[in-house]
Amino acid sequence: DAGVTQSPTHLIKTRGQQVTLRCSPKSGHDTVSWYQQALGQGPQFIFQYYEEEERQRGNFPDRFSGHQFPNYSSELNVNALLLGDSALYLCASSFDRGTIVGNTEAFFGQGTRLTVV
Amino acid sequence: AQTVTQSQPEMSVQEAETVTLSCTYDTSENNYYLFWYKQPPSRQMILVIRQEAYKQQNATENRFSVNFQKAAKSFSLKISDSQLGDTAMYFCAFMFNNAGNMLTFGGGTRLMVKP
Repeated sequence: DAGVTQSPTHLIKTRGQQVTLRCSPKSGHDTVSWYQQALGQGPQFIFQYYEEEERQRGNFPDRFSGHQFPNYSSELNVNALLLGDSALYLCASSFDRGTIVGNTEAFFGQGTRLTVV
Repeated sequence: AQTVTQSQPEMSVQEAETVTLSCTYDTSENNYYLFWYKQPPSRQMILVIRQEAYKQQNATENRFSVNFQKAAKSFSLKISDSQLGDTAMYFCAFMFNNAGNMLTFGGGTRLMVKP
């Protein structure tokens, strides 16, 4: 059973460019969350997708957007990249059955390391 | 907003010894979950142990156990019989009961297990 897979593993972009990161959830999972982890810090919640809609959002600007597809996979898009967007981007999936109850375990992927130069 | 604080940026322990990692949190909510995650150099976050706030009994998973002090808002992780494979970053995390897996993480503690 494949776990959460993210692509690409590493990425280098130039300031001002746009980037798309991809995540395939663990088999059977219907909810995808994205986190940004700056070097030496803990992850910060960006947003969460369920049933192809953004269900919750953290304190991130509109430059960060996402999408969830019918097969539950998800994309994270970042526009107008800044140097400060350099970080490890983690995807986590869970099976929430449509209820926002925190009794299900989130499984994480290995992340995409984004470097903005 | 809730906050999670890990006051020990780095710790080391000898193989086979016991080590305790500290975590404090701040919330006005009564129903929530607390977690310890391990992040090895492979970068993948791995759940070590979880604690439901309504449970008085401390959670235990093999060599890992927690000391949950709800009134003090403290949630420490004890690793017994430390192994070289325990070397990693450890993150304490908080989640409201109705937050649908939206986790708030602490800043992490880097643990080095020495042979």
